[in-house]
Amino acid sequence: GENVEQHPSTLSVQEGDSAVIKCTYSDSASNYFPWYKQELGKRPQLIIDIRSNVGEKKDQRIAVTLNKTAKHFSLHITETQPEDSAVYFCAANTGTASKLTFGTGTRLQVTL
Amino acid sequence: GAVVSQHPSRVICKSGTSVKIECRSLDFQATTMFWYRQFPKKSLMLMATSNEGSKATYEQGVEKDKFLINHASLTLSTLTVTSAHPEDSSFYICSARDGLAGGKQFFGPGTRLTVL
Repeated sequence: GENVEQHPSTLSVQEGDSAVIKCTYSDSASNYFPWYKQELGKRPQLIIDIRSNVGEKKDQRIAVTLNKTAKHFSLHITETQPEDSAVYFCAANTGTASKLTFGTGTRLQVTL
Repeated sequence: GAVVSQHPSRVICKSGTSVKIECRSLDFQATTMFWYRQFPKKSLMLMATSNEGSKATYEQGVEKDKFLINHASLTLSTLTVTSAHPEDSSFYICSARDGLAGGKQFFGPGTRLTVL
């Protein structure tokens, strides 16, 4: 089955700096890669996703890149703000039911 | 749009009792819903895929007789934890797949189960 690895597990940046979180996946058949943000005690929220037919997608301060050959994808957050502090999960789809396999999460802390 | 509700948000029960958790897609139809379990500071672990009108598909190691799933309509899936024990205490989260939104999954707010 699919295996998703995520790095780093924790990331601390100063406000205004950029943050990058990286994930790798194992199943070459995976074609959908969402990113979720989860604040403490809250539900995971979909913040951006990318499909395998594109290499990059951007939404304001958030961007995701995908390298199908290397089987890795990354989340980029620019001009970080304190409200960006949360746990971020990458995921990759697998199987006909479109189930997702999640990475282990990255705890992002944006300091003033 | 794409709102998913989950009830109850918290439940405390005695060991041996059964607990039912509901997951509803409020503004879209979901032929597929998913049930996850999340331990503190850990990732989301898929338990089962809930398919409307058919049997759920369970992940390896998840007991289907322990975690009963019913998906009787396009907007409702239920998870029943039968004969709950303290080790079943966890955060249970559902998600619903919106086929009209490119298959994106949207999560419910989760249910914190504590078994005494």
